[in-house]
Amino acid sequence: DAKTTQPNSMESNEEEPVHLPCNHSTISGTDYIHWYRQLPSQGPEYVIHGLTSNVNNRMASLAIAEDRKSSTLILHRATLRDAAVYYCIPSGGGADGLTFGKGTHLIIQP
Amino acid sequence: DAGVIQSPRHEVTEMGQEVTLRCKPISGHNSLFWYRQTMMRGLELLIYFNNNVPIDDSGMPEDRFSAKMPNASFSTLKIQPSEPRDSAVYFCASSLFSGPQHFGDGTRLSIL
Repeated sequence: DAKTTQPNSMESNEEEPVHLPCNHSTISGTDYIHWYRQLPSQGPEYVIHGLTSNVNNRMASLAIAEDRKSSTLILHRATLRDAAVYYCIPSGGGADGLTFGKGTHLIIQP
Repeated sequence: DAGVIQSPRHEVTEMGQEVTLRCKPISGHNSLFWYRQTMMRGLELLIYFNNNVPIDDSGMPEDRFSAKMPNASFSTLKIQPSEPRDSAVYFCASSLFSGPQHFGDGTRLSIL
């Protein structure tokens, strides 16, 4: 499994954009980059995934570096409900188990 | 839509007792995963099934742990005998082919 490096924690203000970085320099050519988040006292929740191109959905955007060694999860307008631990996970896909690292604890200030 | 359903939500039992955790995946999903979360080790994959067949159980900590999936709508994770170090939150997740995994709310297990 590819090793990932994420900041232990980040802090942002409500209604501002948040950029969560992830380094995955050993990612294999066929691995997708998945992002999950875990709100307090809940199970992890899928956020977004991509392979090479930038991706957008209703929750977030994913910017993937051209060399695929890093990616950035973008929350365009953070709310208090976005306070969670965010995990970046290179993986072949949902049919395989996920290897979670320590993630980034995102704190949102009102 | 019903998500992944886990039971019980909380379990407190004494060391040495048998513990059975249950999971009902999302209808139509063909992959099922069991994870464990502790403060020390974070989220760990224990075992996963594709089409009811165990594919990788290398994360199961020891022989005291066993998991079954008798049909597409039910799975169990059993610990016998239980030990205090098994205390954790156990999550079940399901997915359809290579789609995103959907997690249940977990079972918080405390072994006294």
